[in-house]
Amino acid sequence: EPEVTQTPSHQVTQMGQEVILRCVPISNHLYFYWYRQILGQKVEFLVSFYNNEISEKSEIFDDQFSVERPDGSNFTLKIRSTKLEDSAMYFCASSDATSTDTQYFGPGTRLTVL
Amino acid sequence: QKEVEQNSGPLSVPEGAIASLNCTYSDRGSQSFFWYRQYSGKSPELIMSIYSNGDKEDGRFTAQLNKASQYVSLLIRDSQPSDSATYLCAGPYNQGGKLIFGQGTELSVKP
Repeated sequence: EPEVTQTPSHQVTQMGQEVILRCVPISNHLYFYWYRQILGQKVEFLVSFYNNEISEKSEIFDDQFSVERPDGSNFTLKIRSTKLEDSAMYFCASSDATSTDTQYFGPGTRLTVL
Repeated sequence: QKEVEQNSGPLSVPEGAIASLNCTYSDRGSQSFFWYRQYSGKSPELIMSIYSNGDKEDGRFTAQLNKASQYVSLLIRDSQPSDSATYLCAGPYNQGGKLIFGQGTELSVKP
């Protein structure tokens, strides 16, 4: 069964460093998303991406964040200068032909900022 | 501000019992809802989606949607210890696909 994959599973970085989180969405999906979950808190939407551009972003997704689809399979989230409060699980998700279709989540990347 | 609310629990049921998980939402225009299961330290795993008023059954799981009452529920029949997890209710914020999650209900099934 097709699934969303993410790498790395765990990333430890120093405050102020740049990180890139990688995702491979399900191959025939057209809509891509990033969510994050701080330990013990709700899953929060960060950004949606369709047709090679951002469809929507949340207040969390400030200038320190960017997304890219560098080729036909990968979808990346870059945090330019990490802060302690960026420590969280980051989940990539993808959905089929319609934006309101079911979203399937990847296993997540645990980001720890020291 | 559109919200999805859940009782955080924990909800404890004995093995074999029916577990009932509830969710309310603020946006009367929401057309679809999703139930995800999340084991500790893992990602949300889709269990059910529901788009129409009424019940939708899939194996031991039944989702119920009542748009008039802005209420969605998940019933788990014959609960098993492996069902112990946090159950997340999610609804679309708008047509752009953004999902709003509830805080999740922790379910514990005791052998």
